[in-house]
Amino acid sequence: DTGVSQNPRHKITKRGQNVTFRCDPISEHNRLYWYRQTLGQGPEFLTYFQNEAQLEKSRLLSDRFSAERPKGSFSTLEIQRTEQGDSAMYLCASSHTNENYGYTFGSGTRLTVV
Amino acid sequence: SQQGEEDPQALSIQEGENATMNCSYKTSINNLQWYRQNSGRGLVHLILIRSNEREKHSGRLRVTLDTSKKSSSLLITASRAADTASYFCATKNTNAGKSTFGDGTTLTVKP
Repeated sequence: DTGVSQNPRHKITKRGQNVTFRCDPISEHNRLYWYRQTLGQGPEFLTYFQNEAQLEKSRLLSDRFSAERPKGSFSTLEIQRTEQGDSAMYLCASSHTNENYGYTFGSGTRLTVV
Repeated sequence: SQQGEEDPQALSIQEGENATMNCSYKTSINNLQWYRQNSGRGLVHLILIRSNEREKHSGRLRVTLDTSKKSSSLLITASRAADTASYFCATKNTNAGKSTFGDGTTLTVKP
C-alpha cells in the first residue's frame, strides 16, 4: 500500500466548468475525509465518510459540491459550475475508526479556476 | 471558524536550536494531533496525544497537553534545516467525527 493517492495533482479549469477529483485511501482505513486549504491557512473541513456513508458535510459547502464513496473504497469530489473562489488545494485523508491514530493525507489536488 | 490557534504564526531559528510552538483550543477534546506540511505537499502526521495524557515523546519531538488551559505545545529539539515547514495542530472534539485544524506555525530553520 503506497498511502493515500489523489488524482489529478493539478487541475486548471475555466470558470463555470465542472471538475472531479479522485482519492484512493489506505485500504484498511474505513474513514475518508476531504479538506480544502488556501494559501496561509489550515485545512478546512468539507466532508467525511465512514465506509460508504457520508456522515458529515460542512455547512460552508455549497450545493455545487458533492462527494461520493460508492463502495467504501475510493472517493470522488465534484465541483459544479466552478468559481474563482474555489481555487485551492483539495486534500484527502484517511484513518482508522480507532481514534488513537491520526490521519494519513494524500498530496492533494491543486485547483486553479481561471 | 477554526478550533485551534497556533502561536507564533512564524518562527525563525538557527540550526541546532530548539523550536516551540503552541496551540490553543476552545472546546473539550478527545485528542490533539500535530502535523507537518512542506510547501505544496500534503500533511504528515507527527504525533497524537489523548485528552488523558499530559506529555508524549517521539524522537526529537515532545508534545504537552494542558486540558485545564486548553493548550498544547510542540517542542522540536536540536532543529535541522529539514525541519523547515508549517506545523499544524488539529483537535478531535468529543462529539465530532472529524478533526479541526488551526492555521499553523511556519518554522524556518537556518543552516
